[in-house]
Amino acid sequence: NAGVTQTPKFRILKIGQSMTLQCTQDMNHNYMYWYRQDPGMGLKLIYYSVGAGITDKGEVPNGYNVSRSTTEDFPLRLELAAPSQTSVYFCASSYSIDPRDRDTDTQYFGPGTRLTVL
Amino acid sequence: AQSVTQLDSQVPVFEEAPVELRCNYSSSVSVYLFWYVQYPNQGLQLLLKYLSGSTLVESINGFEAEFNKSQTSFHLRKPSVHISDTAEYFCAVSPSGAGSYQLTFGKGTKLSVIP
Repeated sequence: NAGVTQTPKFRILKIGQSMTLQCTQDMNHNYMYWYRQDPGMGLKLIYYSVGAGITDKGEVPNGYNVSRSTTEDFPLRLELAAPSQTSVYFCASSYSIDPRDRDTDTQYFGPGTRLTVL
Repeated sequence: AQSVTQLDSQVPVFEEAPVELRCNYSSSVSVYLFWYVQYPNQGLQLLLKYLSGSTLVESINGFEAEFNKSQTSFHLRKPSVHISDTAEYFCAVSPSGAGSYQLTFGKGTKLSVIP
């Protein structure tokens, strides 16, 4: 298993540009998450999804959109990039649908996308 | 709602010395507790977790944490650190049962191991 993969690893955007951060997991997890990590601030939840077709806002959703058309993919969309969105973005997944999985409460993280908005 | 306080933003320690990274939480419901580690330029990895049962939990690389309900703490300890333990450590909490997927993270503690 590759686990959780994210693309791109780095990106520089100009103010007002848009982009999509990609996230894919191959662990058959129901739940997926997007976090942003700012220096000295820990991780803040942007959006999460409990299954295909179901998404909900986290703590800091403004300026972002998500969709979940498949179990594997959970892209994060920035429509009008702003300098305040400069951050490192992490995707995570959890809750295998396999009832034999004892690790359902553990979130597995991707390697992150470092985004700079100038 | 839950909150997590990591009292130290940075902890320098000499190699082979013991270390304790402090974590306190606040919650109106029962909780699950986690420690995640983030090595430079990498994502977070689960280090250890407390769900139920024994209040002392251990990781495979020598870390341990003890859940103290009365003090609402989940401090992380290691008796002898190595250079390779240099990383940022995050304490996290979620409600147990329904909603247990909703993790709340502390701000992190950067552990620097000095040769």
